[in-house]
Amino acid sequence: AQSVTQLGSHVSVSEGALVLLRCNYSSSVPPYLFWYVQYPNQGLQLLLKYTTGATLVKGINGFEAEFKKSETSFHLTKPSAHMSDAAEYFCAVSVTGGGNKLTFGTGTQLKVEL
Amino acid sequence: DAGVIQSPRHEVTEMGQEVTLRCKPISGHDYLFWYRQTMMRGLELLIYFNNNVPIDDSGMPEDRFSAKMPNASFSTLKIQPSEPRDSAVYFCASSTSGYNEQFFGPGTRLTVL
Repeated sequence: AQSVTQLGSHVSVSEGALVLLRCNYSSSVPPYLFWYVQYPNQGLQLLLKYTTGATLVKGINGFEAEFKKSETSFHLTKPSAHMSDAAEYFCAVSVTGGGNKLTFGTGTQLKVEL
Repeated sequence: DAGVIQSPRHEVTEMGQEVTLRCKPISGHDYLFWYRQTMMRGLELLIYFNNNVPIDDSGMPEDRFSAKMPNASFSTLKIQPSEPRDSAVYFCASSTSGYNEQFFGPGTRLTVL
């Protein structure tokens, strides 16, 4: 079965600083990987996804993630944090034959400080 | 498109009462998922449907929980009887075949007193 580990349940950065949220996955078959964002009192919204092809994936709001098979990682980055980026971020994985089922990580709460 | 619609947005009830949560998926989506989110347990998949048929209900916590999908545009999650530990935010999500992303509704915040 596949799984996802998000390192750091809370991350704090200064406005304008680099954002790095870590995600490692475990899967015996090629994975599909996703990052979702959840703003307070809202549902989850897709930031970006990797299925096949280019390993550097660009998403909304200036976020991007790179699929590194050798490191089983899919870390999320943004060059310059904005106050509006404060939210909870979830990494998720699915696999072929998994019936569209996503396995989510435990989430990382991002705080952006002035 | 209106997105995934859930109702009610907030529900407050007393222990022992029946609770019914409702979901309308995005038109054309053939997968529907029910999740529960709490501080202690995070985001948990309860059950999911494909073409209105339940595929995996292994996440349903106990027999007090049941879910139905009578047609492609409507699903319910019922808790009877409700207990305080059922207090959580319940999300519905839908997707199309082919490992596309899941689209989440705004959630129902359930409080059982």
